Amino acid sequence: ELKVEQNPLFLSMQEGKNYTIYCNYSTTSDRLYWYRQDPGKSLESLFVLLSNGAVKQEGRLMASLDTKARLSTLHITAAVHDLSATYFCAVVYSGGSNYKLTFGKGTLLTVNP
Amino acid sequence: GAVVSQHPSRVICKSGTSVKIECRSLDFQATTMFWYRQFPKKSLMLMATSNEGSKATYEQGVEKDKFLINHASLTLSTLTVTSAHPEDSSFYICSARANTGSNQPQHFGDGTRLSIL
Repeated sequence: ELKVEQNPLFLSMQEGKNYTIYCNYSTTSDRLYWYRQDPGKSLESLFVLLSNGAVKQEGRLMASLDTKARLSTLHITAAVHDLSATYFCAVVYSGGSNYKLTFGKGTLLTVNP
Repeated sequence: GAVVSQHPSRVICKSGTSVKIECRSLDFQATTMFWYRQFPKKSLMLMATSNEGSKATYEQGVEKDKFLINHASLTLSTLTVTSAHPEDSSFYICSARANTGSNQPQHFGDGTRLSIL
């Protein structure tokens, strides 16, 4: 069974600071996704990481993937209030035919002025 | 980009009512659709995987007779919550995956907030 662990689950940070969210998974996977969810809303896709060493950046967010360590990171640079949301990583299980996603528990990020 | 429309966005109804939620892929054909449930401040929990023209595959612990899933065409899947009770209140999200290639991502609908009184 594929397990996805995210930490921290809660993150309160000041504007302008940097921080990293970690996502560990337990078995081999085809790819990993990062999503953002605002309160009461559905998921917004941020990044898809397909291979070892992949790094993607969009604005103040940068995601990376280490398939050997089964670890992905989401790095936040110089946080701003607009980044406050819940962030989920999700991993595709490569052993099935339907490409199911297994989600981490999410990280609730609050950026304080 | 790929768009998934989910309807209705919010439902409030009395206990014992059956509620149908629709999930449509608007600009692509979706061989596979997924239904998730999300409790407040929790992660998404996969309920079932739906392939067009065949029976849905339910995750362990999800009642098939309670949550009826139909995927009759390549652009439409429906989830019917039968005889809903307050404990069925939740945020339900569907996603759809195009039928071209193993690297196709899931595209998510906007979700349906179901409240059973």
